[in-house]
Amino acid sequence: QVQLMQSGAEVKKPGASVKVSCKSSGYSFTDHYMHWVRQAPGQGLESMGWINPKSGATKYAQKFQGRITMTTDTSTSTAYMELGSVTSDDTAVYYCARDWGGGGFDFWGQGTLVTVSS
Amino acid sequence: NFMLTQPHSVSESPGKTVTISCTGSNGSIASNFIQWYQQRAGSAPTTMIYEDDRRPSGVPDRFSGSIDSSSNSASLTISGLKTEDEADYYCQSSHSTKVIFGGGTKLTVL
Repeated sequence: QVQLMQSGAEVKKPGASVKVSCKSSGYSFTDHYMHWVRQAPGQGLESMGWINPKSGATKYAQKFQGRITMTTDTSTSTAYMELGSVTSDDTAVYYCARDWGGGGFDFWGQGTLVTVSS
Repeated sequence: NFMLTQPHSVSESPGKTVTISCTGSNGSIASNFIQWYQQRAGSAPTTMIYEDDRRPSGVPDRFSGSIDSSSNSASLTISGLKTEDEADYYCQSSHSTKVIFGGGTKLTVL
């Protein structure tokens, strides 16, 4: 069965970088785009961008341009999202989500809480 | 920019049927597929509908999705409501390679 297993919670100081991983299993990793979505406390879902694991092509949401990097390691079927220069506004739960092929998601990771605090 | 608008909250009694709307603006809602996600309190989202009206394996047929081009809206209908259906529901689409979420609807089953 398809599973997306994310790394554990992180606490970061303002200005630092955070890197979240998402290990996939149960399907061919390079056959599906991977998206990253975040949710601030009490707020809705916000798309951060996506990566094509086969080609490495990425598209980032405009508000994160310049401080976000998405990568994959096809040897371990793992996707990574690194966000730099974090502030308290980046405190959120970060999710990876598999694209079913039509611009939406069919499977989600369990989420990774990132807390930014001095 | 294309936007999706949902009602902030809806409520209904167990056993009844409820419909959650998702209205598109600044573009046609029918031009890209609509998905619906359920998020129970403290949990990750799960996919209830994809490709406008298809249910993933394991999602009960009490959940159905539809598109109405005339009103530029999508709907999620839940019949035979159960208390376990109480959750936030989000619609989602992709336009010009951008992923768009509706603001979410809190469903209360009382």
